Amino acid sequence: NAGVTQTPKFQVLKTGQSMTLQCAQDMNHNSMYWYRQDPGMGLRLIYYSASEGTTDKGEVPNGYNVSRLNKREFSLRLESAAPSQTSVYFCASSPGLGPDEQYFGPGTRLTVT
Amino acid sequence: GQQVMQIPQYQHVQEGEDFTTYCNSSTTLSNIQWYKQRPGGHPVFLIQLVKSGEVKKQKRLTFQFGEAKKNSSLHITATQTTDVGTYFCAGPGNTDKLIFGTGTRLQVFP
Repeated sequence: NAGVTQTPKFQVLKTGQSMTLQCAQDMNHNSMYWYRQDPGMGLRLIYYSASEGTTDKGEVPNGYNVSRLNKREFSLRLESAAPSQTSVYFCASSPGLGPDEQYFGPGTRLTVT
Repeated sequence: GQQVMQIPQYQHVQEGEDFTTYCNSSTTLSNIQWYKQRPGGHPVFLIQLVKSGEVKKQKRLTFQFGEAKKNSSLHITATQTTDVGTYFCAGPGNTDKLIFGTGTRLQVFP
């Protein structure tokens, strides 16, 4: 039981490049989330998915797209990376549809130069 | 918009001293959750409080939810070096998604 897994762990991009961050959970959770965490700051919600086939914007969605591929997988895509997107990205999942406790993946540390 | 603030932002203590972090919401919360993030790690769920005035303990950690359900606290008795990390509170926002507090970073000196 791996919980929540994320790939890659580290990534360096040049401005304008694109990439997809992958996330998968094996806990049969309904809801999945993408957060970004900037140095010394809290977690800000980018997008979330309450169930397979649905996605909604969070607090900071600009510059990102998401896909809930199936119940297990939730990917985050940066179409044209910008230095302001340098951050640590965390994927999380929760059992239900509401504000349950969340289980986080190990994170992806992204640097955009 | 809704905000969840924590104080202090940083706290340095000597091992064995007590530590408290406070969480304040601009709106009433249906529940409050606490998470711990070790340096370089990911947030880990610690506990959820639901009832007004609720107090829960986990070994040396004591969590409290305020009577008005707008504030909460985490108290650690006799800190150890293993307590080092950032402690976040989180509560449901208007869209029923969690809003995380700004966090309190705890450093424990041996």
